[in-house]
Amino acid sequence: DVKVTQSSRYLVKRTGEKVFLECVQDMDHENMFWYRQDPGLGLRLIYFSYDVKMKEKGDIPEGYSVSREKKERFSLILESASTNQTSMYLCASSLYSGEQFFGPGTRLTVL
Amino acid sequence: AQSVSQHNHHVILSEAASLELGCNYSYGGTVNLFWYVQYPGQHLQLLLKYFSGDPLVKGIKGFEAEFIKSKFSFNLRKPSGQWSDTAEYFCAVKDTDKLIFGTGTRLQVFP
Repeated sequence: DVKVTQSSRYLVKRTGEKVFLECVQDMDHENMFWYRQDPGLGLRLIYFSYDVKMKEKGDIPEGYSVSREKKERFSLILESASTNQTSMYLCASSLYSGEQFFGPGTRLTVL
Repeated sequence: AQSVSQHNHHVILSEAASLELGCNYSYGGTVNLFWYVQYPGQHLQLLLKYFSGDPLVKGIKGFEAEFIKSKFSFNLRKPSGQWSDTAEYFCAVKDTDKLIFGTGTRLQVFP
């Protein structure tokens, strides 16, 4: 079974803090994705990566950055967390077929 | 770019009633289509997918979806809903190497 793990299920941070969300997949997938999920808005793509050290902006990249130093790991960084970044963050990975496999999510609260 | 519409934001049913959740995508050509489900407290998982061939696709847990090219639709159906189908359902279409998700349909099935 494909497994995508995320470093934390729940996280509480203060405004202005730097936040790291980690994602690891064990299936040697080329593509990895970060989404945020908000009620009524569905899943919105923040960043994605086709390969190590490659990154592409998604639909809502503002306030976020990413890092992919190894194929299996894709990190999402909030340089200076703000309250409007309180959300559920989902990581996913895929092969070229498009089917994505999701992690359990990190519910981030920024106070 | 592709877009996906899920017009039913919240559907409430009684057990044993048939269910149909709508999904429309924005433009034609070759499309790869997906339905994902998120049960309460669980991660997103694939219900079914369409790449080509038979437009009636069967998935897990008794769900099926029909690809109707002329209507740009990929509606999800189940002949008889169960309380355990209570979840949020997301339709998605592949766009290059990304998935474009709809805003989701929250389904509640009451005993």
